[in-house]
Amino acid sequence: GNSVTQMEGPVTLSEEAFLTINCTYTATGYPSLFWYVQYPGEGLQLLLKATKADDKGSNKGFEATYRKETTSFHLEKGSVQVSDSAVYFCALFYNQGGKLIFGQGTELSVKP
Amino acid sequence: GAVVSQHPSRVICKSGTSVKIECRSLDFQATTMFWYRQFPKQSLMLMATSNEGSKATYEQGVEKDKFLINHASLTLSTLTVTSAHPEDSSFYICSVADRPNSNQPQHFGDGTRLSIL
Repeated sequence: GNSVTQMEGPVTLSEEAFLTINCTYTATGYPSLFWYVQYPGEGLQLLLKATKADDKGSNKGFEATYRKETTSFHLEKGSVQVSDSAVYFCALFYNQGGKLIFGQGTELSVKP
Repeated sequence: GAVVSQHPSRVICKSGTSVKIECRSLDFQATTMFWYRQFPKQSLMLMATSNEGSKATYEQGVEKDKFLINHASLTLSTLTVTSAHPEDSSFYICSVADRPNSNQPQHFGDGTRLSIL
């Protein structure tokens, strides 16, 4: 079946460090891929998305490239800030069934 | 501004109480809304898909009689946790599809923290 696997957290970084959160997926066909961010006590916000292979989603300094050959959608940011501390969810949307499937989430903590 | 409004943000109540959570689409009419449940430090689990004017579609393992969903208008869906017990304590989040009659991407409410004593 369709699934999403993220690297386990928590990830703790110093401010201005480089961030990578790995995400791989299993799906038949061509799903759309998303990264959502959840700040403490809040719902989810769409961070970025990519709808087809080789697409790069970007927003607020974050980037992720849809790699079909490696079935991956790793999230990266060149220089993290304390305000980036949150839980990040990778998700796929597969047209058949029409549901968002989430990874388990990766908690990021950025220290000043 | 917010696309989805979820109310209340936090509920604390006694065991056996029924609790209603509202999810409103503020910017557009939503024929489809989604209800998720999130356990501490875990991912979101889709509970059901709420369809305006018809019965909700529940995921496997979700009790229909326990989690009542009503989607009476194009801007409002409600989730009622009936006769809540401590094991129902969780974070409940609703979402609305970005475009009418589409399931992606989804805009999420801020969630409701339900605590049953």
